[in-house]
Formats: sequence, C-alpha cells, structure tokens
Amino acid sequence: SQQGEEDPQALSIQEGENATMNCSYKTSINNLQWYRQNSGRGLVHLILIRSNEREKHSGRLRVTLDTSKKSSSLLITASRAADTASYFCATGTQGGSEKLVFGKGTKLTVNP
Amino acid sequence: GAGVSQSPRYKVAKRGQDVALRCDPISGHVSLFWYQQALGQGPEFLTYFQNEAQLDKSGLPSDRFFAERPEGSVSTLKIQRTQQEDSAVYLCASSLEAGEEEQFFGPGTRLTVL
Repeated sequence: SQQGEEDPQALSIQEGENATMNCSYKTSINNLQWYRQNSGRGLVHLILIRSNEREKHSGRLRVTLDTSKKSSSLLITASRAADTASYFCATGTQGGSEKLVFGKGTKLTVNP
Repeated sequence: GAGVSQSPRYKVAKRGQDVALRCDPISGHVSLFWYQQALGQGPEFLTYFQNEAQLDKSGLPSDRFFAERPEGSVSTLKIQRTQQEDSAVYLCASSLEAGEEEQFFGPGTRLTVL
C-alpha cells in the first residue's frame, strides 16, 4: 500500500509561474524525497530532506517538511515547459528496510 | 558510467506464461530494489537486495514472484504463471551503499499480460 497522498493530483500552469505540490504521509520517517518521472521514463531523484530539517533548496526547487503535520511541499519556481512530468514524494521509514514508500504523484503540465 | 539498465523494455505475455525481467544496476552499487508501478499510481516496493542477500521481500504480492541477485550485481525478477493483474511497469533501482538514501532508477520494463 502507498504511504500517502500528493495533492493536487493534477496541476496545469503557464510557463514562468510557480508550481506547488503537497505530500502527506502516515508513519514516522527518516527522510522524505521528491522524484520526477517523465512520460515513459524512469524516476529521477530531485531532492532529499531529512526528518530533522525544515526546509531545503536546490536550484529552482524548494522543499519544506513539517513532521508534526506529516506533510511536505515542493515548490518549483519560474517553471519551464521541460518541467512537465509527474512528481512523487517518497519516504524512507524508520527501522529496517531501505525501501522507499511512494505517494500517488502529481501530474504537472507547464504550458508554453 | 552507464545508469541502471533494464531488459526487455516491453514484454507481452499470455496469461499463464512465465516471464523473467533483468536489471543491471550501476557498477559497484551495493543495494538493489524492485518496484511495481501500476498505471496512474506511484511505485510500490517489491523486494530489496544488499549485495547478493535478499534482505526484504515483504512487497512481493504472491509466491509467483521470485527475485534473485546471485553474484551481487545483475538481478532477475521472475513471475510465474502470469495473471492480468501483473500488468504493470517493473522498475529497478540501485544505490551506492546500504543506508544511502538516493536511489537511481532504470527505465522500467512494461509488462502486459493478455
């Protein structure tokens, strides 16, 4: 079963606008990661935030984590058509396996 | 070097056939993972290897699913007596070390069971 939910399920914006995606999860985590998946291709790691961090930046990406609410957000600033993809959050859980538990994803469309 | 590669990229099987899916991880990567991704869903964990040891197989949906990594490098996911509900994309991922959180994913094998 999947860990949590991304919201919205789908998002359509114009090039240059910002895109915000949210992720909620259920169990205690070691870290939370965001991945991007282009149509028909594998997942690409974007950014990782640890459970003791609240915010992290990488280029045009900004991730926040609120462990008290079990939620995270991914902000993509100044979006480009090439950002069109599905975005998934994935959690690394405490105690045991190295596996990642993914959400259902947000499908982002950036219109030129 | 090259990323994670998987073969075949597409596989069509008749219900009841056995299939074998191959994963070549990034050279030197210790950890290897298999995930199943149904259409419109996020990947779901199947199994995890550290070198040749299968440390977690809790996600394998039935005893028809079997995975191996005999020499700690290439891995094979085998599905016996395929069913229509097995239709999905099977993703392989590897990571450099145990406890290294970032996973590198292959392009996946799309399995269609008729």
